[in-house]
Amino acid sequence: DAMVIQNPRYQVTQFGKPVTLSCSQTLNHNVMYWYQQKSSQAPKLLFHYYDKDFNNEADTPDNFQSRRPNTSFCFLDIRSPGLGDAAMYLCATSTRDYRGTDTQYFGPGTRLTVL
Amino acid sequence: DAKTTQPTSMDCAEGRAANLPCNHSTISGNEYVYWYRQIHSQGPQYIIHGLKNNETNEMASLIITEDRKSSTLILPHATLRDTAVYYCIVKYYGNKLVFGAGTILRVKS
Repeated sequence: DAMVIQNPRYQVTQFGKPVTLSCSQTLNHNVMYWYQQKSSQAPKLLFHYYDKDFNNEADTPDNFQSRRPNTSFCFLDIRSPGLGDAAMYLCATSTRDYRGTDTQYFGPGTRLTVL
Repeated sequence: DAKTTQPTSMDCAEGRAANLPCNHSTISGNEYVYWYRQIHSQGPQYIIHGLKNNETNEMASLIITEDRKSSTLILPHATLRDTAVYYCIVKYYGNKLVFGAGTILRVKS
């Protein structure tokens, strides 16, 4: 089945130690998104790639970076994680179809713990 | 994108229909209504979306009022596995998803 895959599902890092989360998709979608979801809050968009074009949200901290080496993969890099970055990180993908809709499909998420 | 208003929580008996309302009184003509749900500790799951007409798929039905100012998501036969947070989101094509607080649906046996 076509899907959005996130690895690892659980990640533990130390305060200030860089960490990379990965997302892959078999849907061949041209848009990939990264969301942050803190405990008991709704998901919040960090940034997205439309093909190779990177689109950052205005309030996303510089500490968060992303790479998309090809259509299938997208990475979230947290350069110096702080305790406040502990959250679930969600990857999603979408495409634009002939009906003009762009439904997003989400992966299972990676839960990041910062010690 | 138009804002939405949903009840904070709802209960539903297992096997009964769950009807989740959403108000979007400021919706514009080209904005879609999307429904997602999020089961605890999982990623959001797409359920259904619509523009003007009612829609049905294998998971649910979406009823949009004629003036498009409100909609209802119907889960025809709720099961315990349908317990989740349900998000109603209104957005233009190409715009980002903005999640609100959603409705916590508790299905009880």
